[in-house]
Amino acid sequence: DQQVKQNSPSLSVQEGRISILNCDYTNSMFDYFLWYKKYPAEGPTFLISISSIKDKNEDGRFTVFLNKSAKHLSLHIVPSQPGDSAVYFCAAASGTYKYIFGTGTRLKVLA
Amino acid sequence: DTGVSQDPRHKITKRGQNVTFRCDPISEHNRLYWYRQTLGQGPEFLTYFQNEAQLEKSRLLSDRFSAERPKGSFSTLEIQRTEQGDSAMYLCASSYRLAGDGELFFGEGSRLTVL
Repeated sequence: DQQVKQNSPSLSVQEGRISILNCDYTNSMFDYFLWYKKYPAEGPTFLISISSIKDKNEDGRFTVFLNKSAKHLSLHIVPSQPGDSAVYFCAAASGTYKYIFGTGTRLKVLA
Repeated sequence: DTGVSQDPRHKITKRGQNVTFRCDPISEHNRLYWYRQTLGQGPEFLTYFQNEAQLEKSRLLSDRFSAERPKGSFSTLEIQRTEQGDSAMYLCASSYRLAGDGELFFGEGSRLTVL
């Protein structure tokens, strides 16, 4: 039972353009959502999070949008840079201790 | 503090051997997690400690797997009688907040290859 889904395994974007990564979830109890970035042979690195009481959170070039009614969140990166090329995971958590991760989207930013 | 550290970073073993991984969390973090990641998948939850208490184990954690966190500091994950299907990246993460209130801090992982 995949509670957190990233349906696009890969995405290619030109440098300077916007990257949009999507994530869907099924459990309405999730109230906290996170995005992580992962380079090969490294552990995931936290990027940005959003609580269910908000619908948008920005941090520099990164913005996360949450649509609770659609059980959907997205990560926007603008402008995209070659160093953003990595695998991006979304994760969801409820008021307990467990974080559930999606399968990841590999982003390639083309110079 | 230098973050979450894991040892060894890479382990190659033969099927049937036992392996042990160690995780040192960020010092003030009382919550510690083990995840497993295989190719093309996201991190999958294995187990969780709050201080020294192991509060949950995933169905993924068969009886060949055991995790400990003595004294609520470092943790070890032992796999007995390894199988080829155990080949994966084993990730440790720590946090000082409840899920739903803060992020996990991950180590760089321990990659296991079972021949």
